[in-house]
Amino acid sequence: GAVVSQHPSWVICKSGTSVKIECRSLDFQATTMFWYRQFPKQSLMLMATSNEGSKATYEQGVEKDKFLINHASLTLSTLTVTSAHPEDSSFYICSAPDRKDDEQFFGPGTRLTVL
Amino acid sequence: DAKTTQPPSMDCAEGRAANLPCNHSTISGNEYVYWYRQIHSQGPQYIIHGLKNNETNEMASLIITEDRKSSTLILPHATLRDTAVYYCIVRASNSGYALNFGKGTSLLVTP
Repeated sequence: GAVVSQHPSWVICKSGTSVKIECRSLDFQATTMFWYRQFPKQSLMLMATSNEGSKATYEQGVEKDKFLINHASLTLSTLTVTSAHPEDSSFYICSAPDRKDDEQFFGPGTRLTVL
Repeated sequence: DAKTTQPPSMDCAEGRAANLPCNHSTISGNEYVYWYRQIHSQGPQYIIHGLKNNETNEMASLIITEDRKSSTLILPHATLRDTAVYYCIVRASNSGYALNFGKGTSLLVTP
C-alpha cells in the first residue's frame, strides 16, 4: 500500500513556542490530506482538511489561527501549532486518500509535548 | 456516515480466532463497512472493507449479515501483535472524505 510519513515523530517544546509537523505522501499525490488529533485513551478527532492550492477547512471548535495548515505541494502538508500550550499536548496524525486505490493511508503520528 | 456500535473491549487467547462484532443498523445501500486498527502510539492501519459480500485478505475476514445491519471482523489466529484498538467505520466509497472514528474495540491478545 501507499506510504505516508510524518516528521518529527515526537517533539517537546516550551509553552509559547511554535511547532511545525510535516506530512508527506511518499509514492502518490494527494490533493487532500486530513489532520487528526488524539488525546490519551480517546479516539481520533478530525481537526481539519488540507487542500492543495487552497485554504484548509477546519472542524468546529478548531482555531484556524492557532493550527496553521499549508498544503504547498501534492505530496506535502504542514501543520503548525502556534503559541503552543500544555493543553495542545497530543498525538497528531495525518492521512491522505489514494484515489486510485480508494483507500486512506495514515502517517505514523507525531507526539507533541508542551512543557 | 452511519453510526456504528462496538463493544469497548475484548480478550482473546493467542492462536485462537478473534471475532470482533460491529452493529450498523442504519447503514444505507451505498455505504461500505471498513475496518481499521490502531496499535498503541501508531497511526491507524487499514484492514479490510466490504459492501455486502464476505471478504477475506491476508490479514482478516469480514462477515457481513444479509441485512447488512451488522458485521464481524475475524482474525483467524490472533497473535500478541494483534493487540490494538479496532475501528469499524461505515461510509460511502469516496476517498475524498475523512474517516469518522468511533471509540472502537480494544482487543487484548493474551499468551
